[in-house]
Amino acid sequence: AQSVTQPDIHITVSEGASLELRCNYSYGATPYLFWYVQSPGQGLQLLLKYFSGDTLVQGIKGFEAEFKRSQSSFNLRKPSVHWSDAAEYFCAVGPAGNKLTFGGGTRVLVKP
Amino acid sequence: EPEVTQTPSHQVTQMGQEVILRCVPISNHLYFYWYRQILGQKVEFLVSFYNNEISEKSEIFDDQFSVERPDGSNFTLKIRSTKLEDSAMYFCASSEGTVYEQYFGPGTRLTVT
Repeated sequence: AQSVTQPDIHITVSEGASLELRCNYSYGATPYLFWYVQSPGQGLQLLLKYFSGDTLVQGIKGFEAEFKRSQSSFNLRKPSVHWSDAAEYFCAVGPAGNKLTFGGGTRVLVKP
Repeated sequence: EPEVTQTPSHQVTQMGQEVILRCVPISNHLYFYWYRQILGQKVEFLVSFYNNEISEKSEIFDDQFSVERPDGSNFTLKIRSTKLEDSAMYFCASSEGTVYEQYFGPGTRLTVT
């Protein structure tokens, strides 16, 4: 069965500092991996995806993620955080066509 | 930019009542989904729908739930007899195909009293 673990429930980061959110997955075949962001009162917005090819993928809002098969990880990074990045971030895995399995989410707080 | 829309944004209903949650997927998308998120818990898959039939459903999606695409634009989730434990945020999503990302709507918060 597929599963996703996001070890950090909350992360607090200073504005301008770098951010890394961890995601570990369990999936029997080659995974499709996603990061979504949810701002308060908003839906889930797709930040980036990995299907195949280059293991470093770029997304919107200056985010990137690196797929590491050997570590079953797909960590999300941003070099310099802005106050508007305060939100909840969800990692998800699946066959793209059907069921996505989500992690529990990481809530990011940005200090001025 | 095309987006998935959902109505209502918040629905309050009494236990045992029927509710219908509505979604308008992105117009050229062919695959439609419902997920839910109980407060403080993970986003959970409920059902996927393609070509006017359910293609996959989770254990949560029992006989109390049904989905329908009543016309060319709407996609609905019906809960026949709501329970307290159905209180959650319900997200609709759509995708172009099976190897495409899913785009989510803003959600409907369902509160069962």
